[in-house]
Amino acid sequence: KAGVTQTPRYLIKTRGQQVTLSCSPISGHRSVSWYQQTPGQGLQFLFEYFSETQRNKGNFPGRFSGRQFSNSRSEMNVSTLELGDSALYLCASSLGSGLNTEAFFGQGTRLTVV
Amino acid sequence: GENVEQHPSTLSVQEGDSAVIKCTYSDSASNYFPWYKQELGKGPQLIIDIRSNVGEKKDQRIAVTLNKTAKHFSLHITETQPEDSAVYFCAASKDTGNQFYFGTGTSLTVIP
Repeated sequence: KAGVTQTPRYLIKTRGQQVTLSCSPISGHRSVSWYQQTPGQGLQFLFEYFSETQRNKGNFPGRFSGRQFSNSRSEMNVSTLELGDSALYLCASSLGSGLNTEAFFGQGTRLTVV
Repeated sequence: GENVEQHPSTLSVQEGDSAVIKCTYSDSASNYFPWYKQELGKGPQLIIDIRSNVGEKKDQRIAVTLNKTAKHFSLHITETQPEDSAVYFCAASKDTGNQFYFGTGTSLTVIP
């Protein structure tokens, strides 16, 4: 059974640009959550999508957005990139049909903003 | 919101010894507590979890205990091996979906 797939693995962007990251969950999983991981702030929740609807949202500015498609694949977008957006972005996949089910992470996308 | 504190931030043990990592949480509504292991260059890997209706759970060399009254939970690794070296994160969530609040991580080093 394939795990959670995140693409691309690495990205380098210039300040002010925008970026789109992709996450393909485990087959059959309908919930996808996104996290930002930095050395200073640790793992911080961005948002969760379940059945194409945003179910939960963390405390990030509106520059961070996401969506989920009918096949449960999810994308997150960051507009007007800032240097502080440099981080490892992780997505987690879970069945989602019941609340707080086991979540499995992908390897992440390392975003560097220069 | 929920606040999860994790201690210690670094831990070194001799191979074969036990390692204990402790976490506290603030929101009594939290009812699911997973533990993740993250190796360099990889995403976090779920190693064990516990729900609030259970006090203890064990899986081979790994065990987790939960004290709801005191709002703390701990990870116990026995007979540590070099491959246990990694960063471990505790997390807490409530019945509002899969939104996890993570601790700050413990870097475990097992010395051969």
